[in-house]
Amino acid sequence: NAGVMQNPRHLVRRRGQEARLRCSPMKGHSHVYWYRQLPEEGLKFMVYLQKENIIDESGMPKERFSAEFPKEGPSILRIQQVVRGDSAAYFCASSPQGNSPLHFGNGTRLTVT
Amino acid sequence: DQQVKQNSPSLSVQEGRISILNCDYTNSMFDYFLWYKKYPAEGPTFLISISSIKDKNEDGRFTVFLNKSAKHLSLHIVPSQPGDSAVYFCAARANAGGTSYGKLTFGQGTILTVHP
Repeated sequence: NAGVMQNPRHLVRRRGQEARLRCSPMKGHSHVYWYRQLPEEGLKFMVYLQKENIIDESGMPKERFSAEFPKEGPSILRIQQVVRGDSAAYFCASSPQGNSPLHFGNGTRLTVT
Repeated sequence: DQQVKQNSPSLSVQEGRISILNCDYTNSMFDYFLWYKKYPAEGPTFLISISSIKDKNEDGRFTVFLNKSAKHLSLHIVPSQPGDSAVYFCAARANAGGTSYGKLTFGQGTILTVHP
């Protein structure tokens, strides 16, 4: 898990604030995925990105959520105007190829107060 | 719509015995299945996978069995060790028009506790 770096590990935001979650994939990996785990549930796919491209965002809520993976720098998951229901663990994963097993980071635990 | 289900929230096993974790799925488009292990405050770690063209895959103490007709797979751990205590997630991937990538559908997880 140490290969995929996520920060911060814990993030506390008040309702209405913005949350920015960062993910640096493993070296050599150009495919990045974001998953969300709500309490007592499994992980749910949110978005799949390659460098500068969103490939599949079918799991992203229609509003307030966005993701990017720029040419330089980490992938960013951005949540605007957070609500209590956004409280969850957000996991980033990367792979060297589209059909390779995913390597997950240790997640960012977002708490909205 | 829970397409991947792990109906046992928890399982308790004695060290040295076999642990059997089960998973059922409903989507006929799933063609690749994986098991992940997760410790608290960490991300999931890939354990073992199986393609739909096989019915069994082994890796050391871990064996995954796939029954396509029943849409059922299971993970066998033998012998079980205390360090195996973790949450185990079953996951499945659909073949999207000939292109496969890491969009996985996860089950809810099973908490395995192996007692010394």
